[in-house]
Amino acid sequence: GAGVSQSPRYKVAKRGQDVALRCDPISGHVSLFWYQQALGQGPEFLTYFQNEAQLDKSGLPSDRFFAERPEGSVSTLKIQRTQQEDSAVYLCASSQGTARPGGNQPQHFGDGTRLSIL
Amino acid sequence: AQSVAQPEDQVNVAEGNPLTVKCTYSVSGNPYLFWYVQYPNRGLQFLLKYITGDNLVKGSYGFEAEFNKSQTSFHLKKPSALVSDSALYFCAVKPGSARQLTFGSGTQLTVLP
Repeated sequence: GAGVSQSPRYKVAKRGQDVALRCDPISGHVSLFWYQQALGQGPEFLTYFQNEAQLDKSGLPSDRFFAERPEGSVSTLKIQRTQQEDSAVYLCASSQGTARPGGNQPQHFGDGTRLSIL
Repeated sequence: AQSVAQPEDQVNVAEGNPLTVKCTYSVSGNPYLFWYVQYPNRGLQFLLKYITGDNLVKGSYGFEAEFNKSQTSFHLKKPSALVSDSALYFCAVKPGSARQLTFGSGTQLTVLP
């Protein structure tokens, strides 16, 4: 597609429910990132995929967070047993090449999913 | 660990005047520096990047940024602000050793007509 597409745009869930957030990156982009943006803050890194391989998940805040990209294209971020502190905007970004250390290609962001946990 | 500071939460400027949004960084080794803009309820849009070479980098929509190694700064500038430039601006750094971006907390730019 022309840009990074994320769905749903808005998600409201009750505390304790599981949620799944979808990211469809720019066609052909090898690298895919997930970021979490709390209100009034800059995005913070969650995890990185190179094709289908999850090479870095150091930013995932707990084992309730799980991400996958099984065919190297669409990615899903899943949050189990949601808590109120999970409320944030979740941003997906993709870039054309491999995000090797030393790489400098810009990341292209989707519009995000605003998650509200009641 | 790397970090980015945007010392101003809010910058107001009159339309037609020059604007500056400040950014300083801390990183080991050579930094890759980026500016992004975010409009309400939208994702981040890439404006420009500094990798190496000329310290003055030109980007989208007439924006430019000046890399200053001695002051570890990467300020965003535009000679003549437009009302449509009003948005949230983020500076980001990526050390050569990392894959992901580290963002500042953002600066809300308001251009007054």
